[in-house]
Amino acid sequence: QVQLVESGGGLVKPGGSLRLSCAASGFTFSDHYMSWIRQAPGKGLEWVSYISNSGSTIYYADSVKGRFTISRDNAENTLFLQMHRLRAEDTAVYYCARHKILATIGRTPEDYWGQGTQVTVSS
Amino acid sequence: DIQMTQSPSSLSASVGDRVTITCRASQSISSYLNWYQQKPGKAPKLLIYDALSLQSGVPSRFSGSGSGTDFTLTISSLQREDFATYYCQQSHSKPRTFGRGTQVEIK
Repeated sequence: QVQLVESGGGLVKPGGSLRLSCAASGFTFSDHYMSWIRQAPGKGLEWVSYISNSGSTIYYADSVKGRFTISRDNAENTLFLQMHRLRAEDTAVYYCARHKILATIGRTPEDYWGQGTQVTVSS
Repeated sequence: DIQMTQSPSSLSASVGDRVTITCRASQSISSYLNWYQQKPGKAPKLLIYDALSLQSGVPSRFSGSGSGTDFTLTISSLQREDFATYYCQQSHSKPRTFGRGTQVEIK
């Protein structure tokens, strides 16, 4: 079955860095677009970034552009999110999510989500 | 950015009730509208994609409708396991944006 397991979260000081990983299994990882989506405590969902199956197409939310980098290793079935210059407002649960394969490439929904990893930015 | 406005923000309903949640986009998104269900402490779950397509494994009491800017999620007969928060999301344009959620509570 499809499994997405995030890791790498933790407590970091403002201005610090973290690298999140998402290990995928149960499907052909290299066929699917992937996203990172976050949820601040008690708040709604905020899309952060997505990457195409080959890694050639990447988009970021304005709130993280220039500070976060999404990447993937299709040989290792792993998605990454490198986060620099972290701010208090980046505190959230970070989910990785797989995109459903449909003809509408780039507009497909996220059909499977991991359990999330907590990132806390605080001094 | 496309703004997604969900209503109501919360509702109370009884088991067996018909429940309707609406989502309005600030500009046309064609049919690129998805609905997710989230229970406390859990990841969101895809229910409906492309406005009206039922995700595999999701009970048929869930249905979606709409196109352009106005969309609806309907639960035809609310079950105990449906008490959760529901989010709409547009996947027409980047950045993808979500509604603020509708919390469905037990009356």
